Amino acid sequence: KQEVTQIPAALSVPEGENLVLNCSFTDSAIYNLQWFRQDPGKGLTSLLLIQSSQREQTSGRLNASLDKSSGRSTLYIAASQPGDSATYLCAVSSGTYKYIFGTGTRLKVLA
Amino acid sequence: GAGVSQSPSNKVTEKGKDVELRCDPISGHTALYWYRQSLGQGLEFLIYFQGNSAPDKSGLPSDRFSAERTGGSVSTLTIQRTQQEDSAVYLCASNSLAGGGTDTQYFGPGTRLTVL
Repeated sequence: KQEVTQIPAALSVPEGENLVLNCSFTDSAIYNLQWFRQDPGKGLTSLLLIQSSQREQTSGRLNASLDKSSGRSTLYIAASQPGDSATYLCAVSSGTYKYIFGTGTRLKVLA
Repeated sequence: GAGVSQSPSNKVTEKGKDVELRCDPISGHTALYWYRQSLGQGLEFLIYFQGNSAPDKSGLPSDRFSAERTGGSVSTLTIQRTQQEDSAVYLCASNSLAGGGTDTQYFGPGTRLTVL
């Protein structure tokens, strides 16, 4: 059974810092991995989707990497801003429609 | 275009009552998903629709939970005889997936259910 773990559970950093969020999964036979952002009282917004054949994806200040063999993904946020404050969720799929989600990292960027 | 919408945004009910939660997916999206997010927990998959049929209901926690989708569009999640442990945020998502393989899912804002 696939399990997804995210560390740390919460993180507080000063504005401008670069930071890394971690996601690990127990079954390396994944189809893709996705990072989402969730703001309070709102739904999830997809940030980056990495197919199993890919090693990383980039969008603006965000870079997500995937190492299937070790069951790990990282989300790198460069030059963090207060607007980046949110909960970041990692989700993996096994080739069907179903995503298994981690419990998230709650990020606070201090101005 | 309009995103996924859900109603109501908040629902407070008494234990034992039935509730209906509604999801309106993005127009043209064939696949629809329901998830539950309990306090301190990750998102938990409940059910998946492809068109009007539900190939996978494995995530529904008990027979008090049911869902239907009509016209390949709107979906309703019904919880009968609500219990306090049903309190959670219920999220709906949709995508244009046409029969296999995952793709970005577009999420609604959720319905926060509180059972007193």
